[in-house]
Amino acid sequence: AQKVTQAQTEISVVEKEDVTLDCVYETRDTTYYLFWYKQPPSGELVFLIRRNSFDEQNEISGRYSWNFQKSTSSFNFTITASQVVDSAVYFCALGGNYGGSQGNLIFGKGTKLSVKP
Amino acid sequence: GAVVSQHPSRVICKSGTSVKIECRSLDFQATTMFWYRQFPKQSLMLMATSNEGSKATYEQGVEKDKFLINHASLTLSTLTVTSAHPEDSSFYICSAELAGPYEQYFGPGTRLTVT
Repeated sequence: AQKVTQAQTEISVVEKEDVTLDCVYETRDTTYYLFWYKQPPSGELVFLIRRNSFDEQNEISGRYSWNFQKSTSSFNFTITASQVVDSAVYFCALGGNYGGSQGNLIFGKGTKLSVKP
Repeated sequence: GAVVSQHPSRVICKSGTSVKIECRSLDFQATTMFWYRQFPKQSLMLMATSNEGSKATYEQGVEKDKFLINHASLTLSTLTVTSAHPEDSSFYICSAELAGPYEQYFGPGTRLTVT
């Protein structure tokens, strides 16, 4: 069965602190995709990253970085020098590979990040 | 980039009435669209998978006669909540899959409140 676990329900930090959001996944597929989305209070999902299971390179995009480790089935997300605008719920998600299609995404329960000034 | 719209963004209806939510891929054709539901402070849960020109596939526990899905064209899928009740109040989000790169794009969501 496919499953995504985000053990941290809520995290609160002070502005400029670094924060890491954990994501652990389970799948029997050999090829799969991992995602992170941001959901601000408006509700709209904001795409942050998609990672193919064959690509274990870590990625950095501005203040955001992702650490993908297949050995531990983890895809953690770090925000460096957090800002108040980073406050949102963050979802990690898992997609399969069915002839190229990811199929529906399996979402974790989300981590609510609050960044205080 | 690819854009998916949903209409309406918010709707309030009375118990027992039906509500239709539209999901449109504005600048690409989507053979597959997905409908998710998100209750307050919870995660997104798949309701159904919609393929153009065929019947939708519903997840276990989702009543197909209550949540009618029509995917009549490559750019439009509709979700109709029939005889809505307060427990159907939720945030409904669709996603459309762009074939080729098989990238999914999410709509902005529709907040349904049934009074």
